[in-house]
Amino acid sequence: NAGVTQTPKFQVLKTGQSMTLQCAQDMNHNSMYWYRQDPGMGLRLIYYSASEGTTDKGEVPNGYNVSRLNKREFSLRLESAAPSQTSVYFCASTGTSGSYEQYFGPGTRLTVT
Amino acid sequence: DQQVKQNSPSLSVQEGRISILNCDYTNSMFDYFLWYKKYPAEGPTFLISISSIKDKNEDGRFTVFLNKSAKHLSLHIVPSQPGDSAVYFCAASWSTARQLTFGSGTQLTVLP
Repeated sequence: NAGVTQTPKFQVLKTGQSMTLQCAQDMNHNSMYWYRQDPGMGLRLIYYSASEGTTDKGEVPNGYNVSRLNKREFSLRLESAAPSQTSVYFCASTGTSGSYEQYFGPGTRLTVT
Repeated sequence: DQQVKQNSPSLSVQEGRISILNCDYTNSMFDYFLWYKKYPAEGPTFLISISSIKDKNEDGRFTVFLNKSAKHLSLHIVPSQPGDSAVYFCAASWSTARQLTFGSGTQLTVLP
C-alpha cells in the first residue's frame, strides 16, 4: 500500500516548456486534489476532483489544467511554464464520504528558469 | 485575504515542555478544523482534527482546542519531543465544500 505517489520528484523547466505532473493513489479514494506550496503562503488549492469524471478550479487555477484519468490517477499539466510557477506541488486524496482528512503525496519540486 | 492565519512563523520550545501553536480564522462557515505536520522534503501528514460542535479533542500528546466565539484554535503538544520539530499547518473546511484552506504554517523547533 503506497498511499499517494507523485512523479517526478524534481523537475527543471525553461520558460514556455510544458510538462505533466503525475499523481496516483491506491486507497480507492474518490476525491483528489492538487496544491502548490510557496514560502510563507501555506498550501493553496489549484484544482480538485470530487469524483471520477469531474474537476473543479481551486484558489489558483490559472496556468494549469488537470485530468482525472480514472479513479486512481489525477494529473496536473503546465502548458507554458512561467517562473511564477516555481513551487512545490502536492497531490492529495480523501476517502470515504464525510471524511475531511486528506492524505498527501511526497511532492514535486519544480523550478522554472 | 487569508481566511486562515498562523501569525507565528516560528516557535522554539525546550524538550519536555508544552508547545502551543495558534491559528485564527475569519470565515464563520468553517465547521471542521485540522492540523497537519510537515517534515522537510515530505508531504504533510494529518495529525488531529476537531469538529465545530466540540471545543476540545485529544489524541495522546496532542490536544486541539477550539474557541468558536473568538474564531481561534490551538494545538497543544505535551510533552514536546525533538522529533516534533516540523512545520505545523492548520486547515479549515466546511460541510458542502470539503476543500481545505490552509494557514501559512509555524515552524516548531524542540530543543534537546
